Amino acid sequence: DQQVKQNSPSLSVQEGRISILNCDYTNSMFDYFLWYKKYPAEGPTFLISISSIKDKNEDGRFTVFLNKSAKHLSLHIVPSQPGDSAVYFCAASPTGNQFYFGTGTSLTVIP
Amino acid sequence: DAGITQSPRHKVTETGTPVTLRCHQTENHRYMYWYRQDPGHGLRLIHYSYGVKDTDKGEVSDGYSVSRSKTEDFLLTLESATSSQTSVYFCAISEKLAGAPEQYFGPGTRLTVT
Repeated sequence: DQQVKQNSPSLSVQEGRISILNCDYTNSMFDYFLWYKKYPAEGPTFLISISSIKDKNEDGRFTVFLNKSAKHLSLHIVPSQPGDSAVYFCAASPTGNQFYFGTGTSLTVIP
Repeated sequence: DAGITQSPRHKVTETGTPVTLRCHQTENHRYMYWYRQDPGHGLRLIHYSYGVKDTDKGEVSDGYSVSRSKTEDFLLTLESATSSQTSVYFCAISEKLAGAPEQYFGPGTRLTVT
């Protein structure tokens, strides 16, 4: 049973606009949430994380928002760049030790 | 980039043969992980380690074993490879610090079982 879900397999955005990637989870015990970017034939690259005591964390062009009551998190990329085209995975963890991943969303940024 | 290497990077093996994949880190992180990535499933945890000789099972541990005799090395063994174990395998490391964790991945090993 998938505890972390990314319901949009793909997303296309114009360069310079905002990309919003969404993730839902079912386990209320999850306390930590992470986002990764993955290019083909490479390992995932850590982007940003957030703990459940916060509702927002920002790092440059990347911002993660957490809505605990809705069990929903999102990653905002502003402005989107062609180099952001990749598959994005969200992950969640109850303890910070064991991580559960979503199935990924493929982002295409159109120049 | 986090200092994580995986070997081999590619391997083709026959059903029934044993296979060992190696993960090596230079970051001295406590936690090490083995994941597999398959279409439609994202990344699924096979086993993880929280210290030398300390390991635990993940979501998809059947058919796999692991060992960690040194902080820097984490081995994944397929005792008798099956075609269902054809996949891309990723090693990852993390360290539990104050605040939200960060986890870093190796480049992956593509394993084909014929």
